Parts: sequence; structure tokens; C-alpha cells
Amino acid sequence: GDSVTQMEGPVTLSEEAFLTINCTYTATGYPSLFWYVQYPGEGLQLLLKATKADDKGSNKGFEATYRKETTSFHLEKGSVQVSDSAVYFCALFVYGGSQGNLIFGKGTKLSVKP
Amino acid sequence: GAGVSQSPRYKVAKRGQDVALRCDPISGHVSLFWYQQALGQGPEFLTYFQNEAQLDKSGLPSDRFFAERPEGSVSTLKIQRTQQEDSAVYLCASSLAGGLAGYEQYFGPGTRLTVT
Repeated sequence: GDSVTQMEGPVTLSEEAFLTINCTYTATGYPSLFWYVQYPGEGLQLLLKATKADDKGSNKGFEATYRKETTSFHLEKGSVQVSDSAVYFCALFVYGGSQGNLIFGKGTKLSVKP
Repeated sequence: GAGVSQSPRYKVAKRGQDVALRCDPISGHVSLFWYQQALGQGPEFLTYFQNEAQLDKSGLPSDRFFAERPEGSVSTLKIQRTQQEDSAVYLCASSLAGGLAGYEQYFGPGTRLTVT
């Protein structure tokens, strides 16, 4: 079945460090890919998305490129801030598979220290 | 209301009690989803509505779980005879439409259910 695997956390970085959170997927169809972020005490928020191969999603300095050949959608940011501390979830959506629900990875907790 | 709201935010139930969790989606959103998020895990799909029709309930873990959306707006997730393994955060999400056109889902803050 469809699934998402992302690197386990927690990830602890110093402010201004480079961030990579790996995400790979398995899908029977042609998925759209997402990164969601969950700040402490808040709901999930869409961070960025990509709907076809080689698309790059970007938002708030974060980027991820849809790589069909490696079935990956790694999240990157060049210089993290303390305010980026949150849990990040990679997710996929395959239309028609299950009437359109999202399938999430387990999440990666990021802590950024000043 | 700008976003999806859920109530209550926190619920403590004794094992065997029934609970009802409410979701108010974004006004005008056709699709509504319920997810269950266990501690340290990603959200897992429970059920999906398009307007008042429940199109997919394949993720409901047992027949103790029941969801409804009678007027195509507010939805209620009911859990009967709660058990400890039901302890989780229950997330509601809505989207403008189903299918490719409107699959961007907007999430509420969740209801944290603790069964003692």
C-alpha cells in the first residue's frame, strides 16, 4: 500500500545551521506530495507542496523537490531559526486511491537552539 | 471563523464512557476528514465526508467509532465505550472540494482524548 517514510528525530540544530529532513514514499499511483508543520500547541499547517515530478515546493525559506526517480521529497532550509522548532510531517495524496485522504509519515521533531 | 475549529480541545473519559468530538469546518468547504494521531506518530485517516455523505469510513478502527455530518457542515465523531487505546489526538480537516481540484486540507487544532 501507499506509505511515507521520513527520518526519525529528534533533530537538534543551532540557529543558522542547514536543515535536511529526508522523506521517501511508496505509491501505487502518481501522488502529490506535501510537507506539513505542527508548532507546539497548534494544528497542522501546510508548509509546501508539489504535484508532479521535478516540481519544487517552497515557503518560508523551506524547499523540497519532487524526485520521481528516487521517490523522495526531502525538506531543506539553508539557515534555520529558533522559530522553526516544530514537528514536520511528510505526506502524500493519491487521488482515487482512498477517496482522497492524506497519508502521513511519523513526523520529525526539530529543535533549534540559539 | 477563519479556520477549522474543534471542541473540546481536551477530553478525559473513564474507560467505558461515550464521548462526542465536534468539528466546525471552514465555511463553504465541501470535504471533511477525521484523523487519529497517536503520541509520537503521524495522523492516520479515519473517515471522509463530501457534504453530508460519508464516502469512506475504512479507517475507523472498530464499530465503536461513528461519525456524522447531517447537514453537510458541522461533524461529530462519536466513540462508544471508550478504551485506553483510544487515547490520541483527533484531528479534523476540511477542503474546498474533493478530488484533484481541492485536495489542500486545512486542519483544526485537534481534540486530545485521554481515557483513564
